[in-house]
Amino acid sequence: RKEVEQDPGPFNVPEGATVAFNCTYSNSASQSFFWYRQDCRKEPKLLMSVYSSGNEDGRFTAQLNRASQYISLLIRDSKLSDSATYLCVVNSNSGYSTLTFGKGTMLLVSP
Amino acid sequence: DTGVSQNPRHKITKRGQNVTFRCDPISEHNRLYWYRQTLGQGPEFLTYFQNEAQLEKSRLLSDRFSAERPKGSFSTLEIQRTEQGDSAMYLCASSLGQGFTEAFFGQGTRLTVV
Repeated sequence: RKEVEQDPGPFNVPEGATVAFNCTYSNSASQSFFWYRQDCRKEPKLLMSVYSSGNEDGRFTAQLNRASQYISLLIRDSKLSDSATYLCVVNSNSGYSTLTFGKGTMLLVSP
Repeated sequence: DTGVSQNPRHKITKRGQNVTFRCDPISEHNRLYWYRQTLGQGPEFLTYFQNEAQLEKSRLLSDRFSAERPKGSFSTLEIQRTEQGDSAMYLCASSLGQGFTEAFFGQGTRLTVV
């Protein structure tokens, strides 16, 4: 089983739609979780951290389910500018605070 | 610009040549990471420094790859005897703190081996 798995998509949604991505991780001892956003041919940028209690930042909501070892990202009222690849990130098995990335889920928001 | 800086942005080299990339992290950040990314894949971890100490190296990092961070500031990544399979985007990131915190990425160096 890969350390971090994501559906690669693409997810094609119209503006205003709500879309959800899931991510599963293999290491039950992982402690830190993030969603990064990566635009085409650009570097990844932090979108939000994922806390055990769940957290919300405007139109974005992240949830963590430790029992099932998955993380979710919900985007409400999608905008054209949300089109990007969303990378699920967890701290790795090594324990030295390295980040392990999923392959990413591509989102395409159309007018 | 006080973000992570990488040079060069693009590098084209012939197979068998050596290349060196540089990363300047955010100035107060004690942790520095190198990743490699190919088309359609997420970034793959290569190596990690805390200050000047190289604490972790991926099994992906063959003997042809070496990284240094001599004074705990900037870092270099050298690839010797480049192969076509080394063609990728090489990303550097830095972070601050003892516990796990977010990492900030540079714009990357795109390597093409011909």
